[in-house]
Amino acid sequence: DIQMTQSPSTLSASVGDRVTITCRASQSISSWLAWYQQKPGKAPNLLIYKASSLESGVPSRFSGTGSGTEFTLTISSLQPDDFATYYCQQYKSYAWTFGQGTKLEI
Amino acid sequence: QVQLQESGPGLVKPSETLSLTCTVSGGSISSLYWSWIRQFPGKGLEWIGHIYYSGSTDYNPSLRSRVTMLVDTSNNQFSLRLNSVTAADTAVYYCARVKWGSSGTFDYWGQGTLVTVSS
Repeated sequence: DIQMTQSPSTLSASVGDRVTITCRASQSISSWLAWYQQKPGKAPNLLIYKASSLESGVPSRFSGTGSGTEFTLTISSLQPDDFATYYCQQYKSYAWTFGQGTKLEI
Repeated sequence: QVQLQESGPGLVKPSETLSLTCTVSGGSISSLYWSWIRQFPGKGLEWIGHIYYSGSTDYNPSLRSRVTMLVDTSNNQFSLRLNSVTAADTAVYYCARVKWGSSGTFDYWGQGTLVTVSS
């Protein structure tokens, strides 16, 4: 399986901050990477697919970059609703795998 | 708006079979892939597998020997069976739709159902 490693595990930030979360793959996955946001007690919500494509309905303050083995999710100006846990996921090859998550907290 | 809803027992005994059903509403189950994903108490996510509306499947190799997925297009449902469960299978189980045109990503999810394996 391709291993996905996110950093940091926890990120403290404030409303209005610009934050970046990193995801590294154990081997090249080209651009086959997605990002999800999960709030407590809820299912994950797709934010970004194919590394940089914004899912319909997702605010433009979210953006994704990267290819190969290193990827980033950036939130340009944190809003109160953004405090949640974020997961990356590769879909280059079976078994599709997720990172361990990054908890974004105040 | 597509909605997915998981149903099934919340408690399963060790060595028995976990059975869950996902009912899709607001859209047809046809022409798309449908997945099962689980989230462990420590929050890690694991893709279990997916099924096409025609019935073809792909499973996580780590679970392949214990997993069966079926689809029932007449009732807009698909199901998961995981046999020989242990405490390590305790998790929240989600059903999800694989995004059309972006196979491997999940754009609609059920609310999730907690399954506990315990005697």
